[in-house]
Amino acid sequence: KAGVTQTPRYLIKTRGQQVTLSCSPISGHRSVSWYQQTPGQGLQFLFEYFSETQRNKGNFPGRFSGRQFSNSRSEMNVSTLELGDSALYLCASSSGQQTSGRAYEQYFGPGTRLTVT
Amino acid sequence: DAKTTQPPSMDCAEGRAANLPCNHSTISGNEYVYWYRQIHSQGPQYIIHGLKNNETNEMASLIITEDRKSSTLILPHATLRDTAVYYCIVRVYNTDKLIFGTGTRLQVFP
Repeated sequence: KAGVTQTPRYLIKTRGQQVTLSCSPISGHRSVSWYQQTPGQGLQFLFEYFSETQRNKGNFPGRFSGRQFSNSRSEMNVSTLELGDSALYLCASSSGQQTSGRAYEQYFGPGTRLTVT
Repeated sequence: DAKTTQPPSMDCAEGRAANLPCNHSTISGNEYVYWYRQIHSQGPQYIIHGLKNNETNEMASLIITEDRKSSTLILPHATLRDTAVYYCIVRVYNTDKLIFGTGTRLQVFP
């Protein structure tokens, strides 16, 4: 079974531009989460989607947004890019219906490395 | 949200067991403990998770104390390829939200 895929793998943008990152979860997985990793702040949760609905959102400004499609693929968008948005953006998927209270493995993709100049 | 505390770094000789400790004293009764590792800024790799019972899989064992305030990840026979940053994480109840700490940088030496 193919793993989580993220596109593009590398991206260079300039301040003020916007960017869209894509994540394809493992086949059959319905939950997708996004994380930002920077040297200063480490890994931080951005948001979580399940069946096209945002279930949770981290403490990030409104410039960061996301969505999930009916095939469970997800995109995240960052508008008005700032230098501090340079980071590795990671996507993770899991299979379970989280309301059951059970815990499922979450698998991460390789990430998209965004550089803002 | 429950936080975790881990030593910043540890060393382990190749072939020996690596025991990585983690404190999560504020964990709630229904929150799971997850362990991931990350090598060279690749995506984090899932290792194991547990609630209150000890767990074992092909990669590692997870020992959770009875009061659930701490846990230990055991890599039974460490290899050089196990050199990585290991994250102990508490998963927020009924969500996929993982709260990462700063992790432990494990260096396995020959």
